[in-house]
Amino acid sequence: AQTVTQSQPEMSVQEAETVTLSCTYDTSESDYYLFWYKQPPSRQMILVIRQEAYKQQNATENRFSVNFQKAAKSFSLKISDSQLGDAAMYFCAYRRARGGSEKLVFGKGTKLTVNP
Amino acid sequence: DAGVTQSPTHLIKTRGQHVTLRCSPISGHKSVSWYQQVLGQGPQFIFQYYEKEERGRGNFPDRFSARQFPNYSSELNVNALLLGDSALYLCASSLVVVVAGGGSDTEAFFGQGTRLTVV
Repeated sequence: AQTVTQSQPEMSVQEAETVTLSCTYDTSESDYYLFWYKQPPSRQMILVIRQEAYKQQNATENRFSVNFQKAAKSFSLKISDSQLGDAAMYFCAYRRARGGSEKLVFGKGTKLTVNP
Repeated sequence: DAGVTQSPTHLIKTRGQHVTLRCSPISGHKSVSWYQQVLGQGPQFIFQYYEKEERGRGNFPDRFSARQFPNYSSELNVNALLLGDSALYLCASSLVVVVAGGGSDTEAFFGQGTRLTVV
């Protein structure tokens, strides 16, 4: 079974600074997708960034980028120029690329606080 | 365009009762998945339906059931409620795109969830 581990229950960062959230996963599959979701107090899960396992290039979306290390099964999220609106729970998630189900496997989350 | 809508937003039930949660996917999305998020945890997969057929089931007891209607909306039913069923129930819809090699590429869009409290 696939598992996703987020070892940092809470992180804090100063506004305008950079923070990195860690995620490791375990799978025997070679083809899969990895995601970072943001969940603000409004409860709605919002996709921040995604990475296809077959792509060597790390994904980037504006101030958000990932460091994908396939051999180490590591998928960290870097937030640059942190803003107050970035404060939320962040979840790392895994999905198989094949197998019929769209099941996402989530980690337990990291609570990010942004200090003014 | 409307996003994924879930109803009700909040619900309080008594142990032993039955509950039905509803989800309307984004227009054009044929896949709906349900997740349970207990306080302080990440979401846990319950079911996925695609084209009205069950595509996946998580490790939940038979008290949990779901179905998908011809308009692709979905219901999650939970019977004989337990205190431990108190959670945020999230619905996600996706547009499934089959890619070369038989895999699928999708992005899941989530609703704001139904907060269920069992007392």
